[in-house]
Amino acid sequence: EVQLVESGGGSVQPGGSLRLSCEVSGFIFTTYWMHWVRQAPGKGLEWVSRVGSDESSTKYADSVTGRFTVSRDNARNTLYLEMRRLRVEDTAVYYCARDHLGGYGMDAWGQGATVAVSS
Amino acid sequence: DIQMTQSPSSLSASVGDRVTITCRAGETINNYLTWYQQQPGKAPRVLIYAASKLQSGVPSRFSGSGSGTDFTLTISSLQPEDFAMYYCQQSYTGWTFGQGTKVEV
Repeated sequence: EVQLVESGGGSVQPGGSLRLSCEVSGFIFTTYWMHWVRQAPGKGLEWVSRVGSDESSTKYADSVTGRFTVSRDNARNTLYLEMRRLRVEDTAVYYCARDHLGGYGMDAWGQGATVAVSS
Repeated sequence: DIQMTQSPSSLSASVGDRVTITCRAGETINNYLTWYQQQPGKAPRVLIYAASKLQSGVPSRFSGSGSGTDFTLTISSLQPEDFAMYYCQQSYTGWTFGQGTKVEV
């Protein structure tokens, strides 16, 4: 069974940092690109970041470029999102998601990790 | 970024109704269009990928059509568990979601 389990969410003040983790199982992690997608309270889905299968290629949404860093540890089957200089508007549920092998969207999702940024 | 525009933003329907949601891309995305369903407090799940291919395990009352810039998600006979949010997403250039459509009673 394919599983993605996020952890590391929490509350932080503006300007602070957090690191999210996403441990996966049930599939060959090294085969897949992986994404982070977020959803602010009461809002829609926003793509945040993508990492290639070997971490050599990363992409970010303009809203997080320069503040967030995506990485992966293929030996540990784990995806990470390092978030720095957090803003109130980064408050959201953060989902990790697996890229469809054919490039058609994201075919498996974690349950989400909540990040709350407030003073 | 390719903009994705869904319509309507919300709709009211009853069990058994045929429901249609549309999604328009700001430029051509070929068939790189995915439809998701999201229940409150849950992660999204894939319904349709490649514009018209039914994801494994998804009931056949869901169908998708379109290519280029205009796409449609149809629920042929709405069931109680189908009241939810629906999102389209393009993955032709980057990844962009539509703003969502709420299907409610």
